[in-house]
Amino acid sequence: EIVVTQSPAILSVSPGETVILSCRASQNIRRDLAWYQQKPGQSPRLLIYAASTGATGLPARFSGSGSGTEFTLTISSLQSEDLAVYYCQQYNNWPRTFGQGTKVEIK
Amino acid sequence: QVQLVQSGAEVKKPGSSVKVSCKTSGGTFGSYGITWVRQAPGQGLEWMGRIIPILGIKNSAQKFQGRVTFTADKSTNTAYMEMSSLRFEDTAVYYCARDGVSGPYSAYWGQGTLVTVSS
Repeated sequence: EIVVTQSPAILSVSPGETVILSCRASQNIRRDLAWYQQKPGQSPRLLIYAASTGATGLPARFSGSGSGTEFTLTISSLQSEDLAVYYCQQYNNWPRTFGQGTKVEIK
Repeated sequence: QVQLVQSGAEVKKPGSSVKVSCKTSGGTFGSYGITWVRQAPGQGLEWMGRIIPILGIKNSAQKFQGRVTFTADKSTNTAYMEMSSLRFEDTAVYYCARDGVSGPYSAYWGQGTLVTVSS
């Protein structure tokens, strides 16, 4: 099973700052990685797939990068509505696995 | 517009079974995989398994094998997840999600179904 590790667990930032979330896979997953956003009380929402392709309607401040085992999600100029938990997930191998999530808090 | 609508909350006794439905609309049902993910209270997302309705292909996480069954009814565009021998630790919100157009990531999500296991 591929282990997916996210860091940090919690990030406390001010509106307008740039946020970088990290995701590491325990083995090479090429670019088979997705990022999801989950706001309190809501279902997860797809942000990024294939490591860097934005989902339909994704605000331009969200971007993804990486390949192999190291990936990042960048939120430029954080908005208050970006308060959420962000999960990465690999879909290169079975079983699909999620990272444990990064909670983004607004200062 | 693709939508997934799940069945309502359930309260079950330990040892019993639960069946959660996920009705899809928009898109072509059957051609895309339906994934099931659960989230225990205050915890992260846990991938359970996936079914491709038109092919009948199923994959599941080892911890659920033998206790969870994924099915799909193409006539009603509905996918199902049935879990047996329920335990207290199965209390969670269960989500269904549909694949994206260009890969097996979860592009569209249902609203979630809370399953509470309580004596």
